Amino acid sequence: AQTVTQSQPEMSVQEAETVTLSCTYDTSESDYYLFWYKQPPSRQMILVIRQEAYKQQNATENRFSVNFQKAAKSFSLKISDSQLGDAAMYFCAYRSLNYGGSQGNLIFGKGTKLSVKP
Amino acid sequence: EAGVTQFPSHSVIEKGQTVTLRCDPISGHDNLYWYRRVMGKEIKFLLHFVKESKQDESGMPNNRFLAERTGGTYSTLKVQPAELEDSGVYFCASSPGTQSYNEQFFGPGTRLTVL
Repeated sequence: AQTVTQSQPEMSVQEAETVTLSCTYDTSESDYYLFWYKQPPSRQMILVIRQEAYKQQNATENRFSVNFQKAAKSFSLKISDSQLGDAAMYFCAYRSLNYGGSQGNLIFGKGTKLSVKP
Repeated sequence: EAGVTQFPSHSVIEKGQTVTLRCDPISGHDNLYWYRRVMGKEIKFLLHFVKESKQDESGMPNNRFLAERTGGTYSTLKVQPAELEDSGVYFCASSPGTQSYNEQFFGPGTRLTVL
């Protein structure tokens, strides 16, 4: 069974600085998807960034980028130029790749609570 | 476009009572998922509907939990009778199509407290 581990329960960053949230996972599959979701306080979870395991190039979305190390089974999230609105719970998630079948569920880590200091 | 909605946002019940949670997915989304997060732990998958059919219910903890999705629209998750360990936040998510890269859109969750 696949597992996702986020070893940092809480992180803090100064506004405008860069922070990296770590995520490791365990799987025997060769193809899969990895996601970072963000849940601001009292709001719903939204997708931040997505990475396909068969793509070597790291995904980027504006100030958000990932460092995907497939061999090491590592998938860290880097937030550049941190803003107050980035304060949230961040969840790393794994999803198996299905060929022509139905979509699988997400497997989540415990989350990292990010605080942004003004 | 309206997002995924869940009702109620909070529910406080006594042990042994029944509670029904409701999820309205994004219109047109065939896939509907239920997840649960117990305090301090991972968000865990409960089950997955494709339209009105249960595609995967391997995450349902026991037979006190009953999920339905009549007509392939909204879904309900009933807990009967509720136990203390059922406390947590119940999330619903929906997604279109069949491709694994499709994003799951989450609702705000229902916080259930069993006393």
